[in-house]
Amino acid sequence: AQSVTQLGSHVSVSEGALVLLRCNYSSSVPPYLFWYVQYPNQGLQLLLKYTTGATLVKGINGFEAEFKKSETSFHLTKPSAHMSDAAEYFCAVSDPPGNQFYFGTGTSLTVIP
Amino acid sequence: KAGVTQTPRYLIKTRGQQVTLSCSPISGHRSVSWYQQTPGQGLQFLFEYFSETQRNKGNFPGRFSGRQFSNSRSEMNVSTLELGDSALYLCASSVSQVFYEQYFGPGTRLTVT
Repeated sequence: AQSVTQLGSHVSVSEGALVLLRCNYSSSVPPYLFWYVQYPNQGLQLLLKYTTGATLVKGINGFEAEFKKSETSFHLTKPSAHMSDAAEYFCAVSDPPGNQFYFGTGTSLTVIP
Repeated sequence: KAGVTQTPRYLIKTRGQQVTLSCSPISGHRSVSWYQQTPGQGLQFLFEYFSETQRNKGNFPGRFSGRQFSNSRSEMNVSTLELGDSALYLCASSVSQVFYEQYFGPGTRLTVT
């Protein structure tokens, strides 16, 4: 069965520091990969996605992620954290590609001023 | 273009009652998926509809049902509510049955007392 693992349910970073949120998946073939962000009392907003092509994908708000097939990972990064980045982040895979979504358990990001 | 809308946004029901939630997808989107989000279980897939047909179903009891209308609007129904059904119910829409991405609504917060 497909599984998505997000290491660290809570991550704290200082404002201006690097943000690194980890996501690993299990699949025999490269799935489609996504990162979503959820602010309090809101739905999920798509940050970025990987379907095919370039393995380094850029998203909104300065975030980017790199698909590494050999490591079955899709970690989310941002060079410099802003206070407005504080939210819940979800990694998701679509497996088989284009089919049902499976979500990780989420990582709550806190940004310390 | 308007986003995914869900009504109502908040709902309080009593155990044993039934409830119907509504979702209007983005114009032109034909696929609608429903998810249950709870602090303990995270995001769990309920079911997905495409062109009025249920295409996929998650592992939920038969008390959870849904349908999709010809205009792609979707409803989900929960009968005989239990305390454990308290959750944020999220609807997501996609252009086609191939999920290159999903767009989420703000959710309906259901509280069962």
